Amino acid sequence: AQKITQTQPGMFVQEKEAVTLDCTYDTSDQSYGLFWYKQPSSGEMIFLIYQGSYDEQNATEGRYSLNFQKARKSANLVISASQLGDSAMYFCAMTPYSSASKIIFGSGTRLSIRP
Amino acid sequence: GAVVSQHPSWVICKSGTSVKIECRSLDFQATTMFWYRQFPKQSLMLMATSNEGSKATYEQGVEKDKFLINHASLTLSTLTVTSAHPEDSSFYICSARLPGTSGVAETQYFGPGTRLLVL
Repeated sequence: AQKITQTQPGMFVQEKEAVTLDCTYDTSDQSYGLFWYKQPSSGEMIFLIYQGSYDEQNATEGRYSLNFQKARKSANLVISASQLGDSAMYFCAMTPYSSASKIIFGSGTRLSIRP
Repeated sequence: GAVVSQHPSWVICKSGTSVKIECRSLDFQATTMFWYRQFPKQSLMLMATSNEGSKATYEQGVEKDKFLINHASLTLSTLTVTSAHPEDSSFYICSARLPGTSGVAETQYFGPGTRLLVL
């Protein structure tokens, strides 16, 4: 079964602290892509970061980094120096090779940043 | 950067009427667009894949005659909710495949979404 699991429905973090959002995945495909999207209250899904299953280095994009641990099938998002504007829903997603055009989304984590 | 727009952002309609939602790729051509539905506090559910110049591919359980999809140009896909009923009230969001990405790296850029309320 192809599945994304996000076990943290909600998180509260103090501004300027780093935060890790958990994501584990399940697929029998050897090739797959992993994504993180941010959805603020406005509703738009904003692409944050991508990691390929064969990429040896963890992906980074500004304050975002993806902690990819292939053996554990985890793809946690790390946000450094959190800001108030980071408050949003965060979705982990996967594109397995066998169905690459269809994104499989996790249930999401609501991140709230405290001032 | 790639931008996908949707119109309208909000629509309120009476039960039984049809509503058309437009999804446009503003600075790139999109041969493939996707339509999702999102219920409150839930994740996105893929409704259909819209291919320019051909029929849309619907996911299992999605009524083709209820949710009409047209992808007449490389920058525009439309979703028409026909004879809308209160249970069709939801957040509809489209996405387009970012050019230059393919396979497992295929990246979708999303529109801002359309909130539909059927009275």
